[in-house]
Amino acid sequence: DAGITQSPRHKVTETGTPVTLRCHQTENHRYMYWYRQDPGHGLRLIHYSYGVKDTDKGEVSDGYSVSRSKTEDFLLTLESATSSQTSVYFCAISVTGEVHEQFFGPGTRLTVL
Amino acid sequence: QQQVKQSPQSLIVQKGGISIINCAYENTAFDYFPWYQQFPGKGPALLIAIRPDVSEKKEGRFTISFNKSAKQFSLHIMDSQPGDSATYFCAAVNYGGATNKLIFGTGTLLAVQP
Repeated sequence: DAGITQSPRHKVTETGTPVTLRCHQTENHRYMYWYRQDPGHGLRLIHYSYGVKDTDKGEVSDGYSVSRSKTEDFLLTLESATSSQTSVYFCAISVTGEVHEQFFGPGTRLTVL
Repeated sequence: QQQVKQSPQSLIVQKGGISIINCAYENTAFDYFPWYQQFPGKGPALLIAIRPDVSEKKEGRFTISFNKSAKQFSLHIMDSQPGDSATYFCAAVNYGGATNKLIFGTGTLLAVQP
């Protein structure tokens, strides 16, 4: 599993509340990614990171922010959760540095009521 | 330009049959095409990948066929087994492009019936 953990695994929250999801890796890989998975849309990239404090936007970044203050942790924050952000969120890392070879975490199922 | 279109959305195959999932793309700058497999409740896992200078790549019962002129690629699962029941995603990446990110298809839910 490439040493990736995500927390929490499940969360139910209310509209307007802030939410932070954590991705933790144990092997100091440089590249980390956050995706959301929704029926009919596949996996869509939210944000990614190519090193400590180096992050960039993906295709669905609106309403999300990220931070990476340590190599091993990549945090995804929903500043004010909306029902449209109900989804399954996956963190991924690139072990080899090759973008097409990504290892995914177990996912976080987020429900915004 | 950045889309990868995947079909069918779902597929039912009998045990021992051949499962075929197709993907098409527009961006000719894509230069790597992986397939990911996802079991329920798990994250996707890399299954097999191909470069566009190769027409076919085989790993066990899984084969990618690539047609560069048609801008299409497909996954074939030979002798399909119930354990292959999962969601399959095709993807593409342009390493030389500004994005340098994986673009995923919408997924195919495969059910292999015993």
